Amino acid sequence: KQEVTQIPAALSVPEGENLVLNCSFTDSAIYNLQWFRQDPGKGLTSLLLIQSSQREQTSGRLNASLDKSSGRSTLYIAASQPGDSATYLCAVNRANNLFFGTGTRLTVIP
Amino acid sequence: EPEVTQTPSHQVTQMGQEVILRCVPISNHLYFYWYRQILGQKVEFLVSFYNNEISEKSEIFDDQFSVERPDGSNFTLKIRSTKLEDSAMYFCASSYYVYEQYFGPGTRLTVT
Repeated sequence: KQEVTQIPAALSVPEGENLVLNCSFTDSAIYNLQWFRQDPGKGLTSLLLIQSSQREQTSGRLNASLDKSSGRSTLYIAASQPGDSATYLCAVNRANNLFFGTGTRLTVIP
Repeated sequence: EPEVTQTPSHQVTQMGQEVILRCVPISNHLYFYWYRQILGQKVEFLVSFYNNEISEKSEIFDDQFSVERPDGSNFTLKIRSTKLEDSAMYFCASSYYVYEQYFGPGTRLTVT
């Protein structure tokens, strides 16, 4: 069964710092991997999708990488802002259902 | 920009009652999903639906649950006899194919 782990569980950084969130998964037979943002009590906002054949995907200050063979993905956030404070979830898509990690709760301190 | 919508945003029900959660997926999408998130826990897959039938379901999706696409726009999740442990946030999602899944804002279900 697919297990998805995210480290660290929580992260607090000063504004302007670059940071990396980590995601690992146990079964490399995936279609794609998605990174989401979740604000407290709210829904999931898709940030980036990486197909299994891709190594990297970028959107603005966000860059996600995927190493399928080692079962790892990272989300890099450049020049963090207080508005980036949220929980970040990674989810792997296997057989068209998503397996989610427990998330990393990010706090960016002004 | 097209989005997935869900109603109601919050539903309170008594144990043993039936509830129907409603979703309107993005109009040209072909795959529809329900997920749930118990407070403080992971988002968990419940069921996927394609071509008017269930394509996959998890062990959580037992006989108490059912899904339906009653018309060309709505997608519903019915819980027949709610239990306290069904209290959770329920998310609907849709996708065109095995691509990016777009999530709705969720329905918070509280069973008392």
